[in-house]
Amino acid sequence: AQSVTQLDSQVPVFEEAPVELRCNYSSSVSVYLFWYVQYPNQGLQLLLKYLSGSTLVKGINGFEAEFNKSQTSFHLRKPSVHISDTAEYFCALTGGGNKLTFGTGTQLKVEL
Amino acid sequence: NAGVMQNPRHLVRRRGQEARLRCSPMKGHSHVYWYRQLPEEGLKFMVYLQKENIIDESGMPKERFSAEFPKEGPSILRIQQVVRGDSAAYFCASSPGDRALQETQYFGPGTRLLVL
Repeated sequence: AQSVTQLDSQVPVFEEAPVELRCNYSSSVSVYLFWYVQYPNQGLQLLLKYLSGSTLVKGINGFEAEFNKSQTSFHLRKPSVHISDTAEYFCALTGGGNKLTFGTGTQLKVEL
Repeated sequence: NAGVMQNPRHLVRRRGQEARLRCSPMKGHSHVYWYRQLPEEGLKFMVYLQKENIIDESGMPKERFSAEFPKEGPSILRIQQVVRGDSAAYFCASSPGDRALQETQYFGPGTRLLVL
């Protein structure tokens, strides 16, 4: 069985401050990892993905994530957030099949 | 380059009616996935289809729900005799048939179903 844990349901942060959204996973097989962003009443947009290779992955909108196999983590980071980054962020994985397993999401709220 | 398209975007049904949700994958994509998002929850996998084949339906409720992806036309998720608990956002995603690329799924805007 596979699972994704996003411990922080909400993360408030001031504009231009750095942010880290945490994601831990559990799987008995090798996995591919993803971060998606969902703006209100919209679909999911792919931010970045880790399939293989370098453990530091850069995505759109200045986000990056680091795959840490020993800690089974895939935390998302941005050095300086903007108001427009306010959204729900989902970590997800797939392994041994094509269906995505999602975490419960983290609501990022950027304040002035 | 159109993305994944879903219609309708919003659907209101009364208890006992049928709901039909449509999904057109991205051009060149032959794999379709359906997910359901209940209020305040993450997305849950429902079904994975290729043209004319259901590959994995392990997330589909045993009754009232069915999905198809015909040779021609969009993928359809059908919910018969809807109940209030079916109220949710239903998302479709697609991926390429190329094995090297099929892990990455691209999502549509979703259909928000409200059952009165």
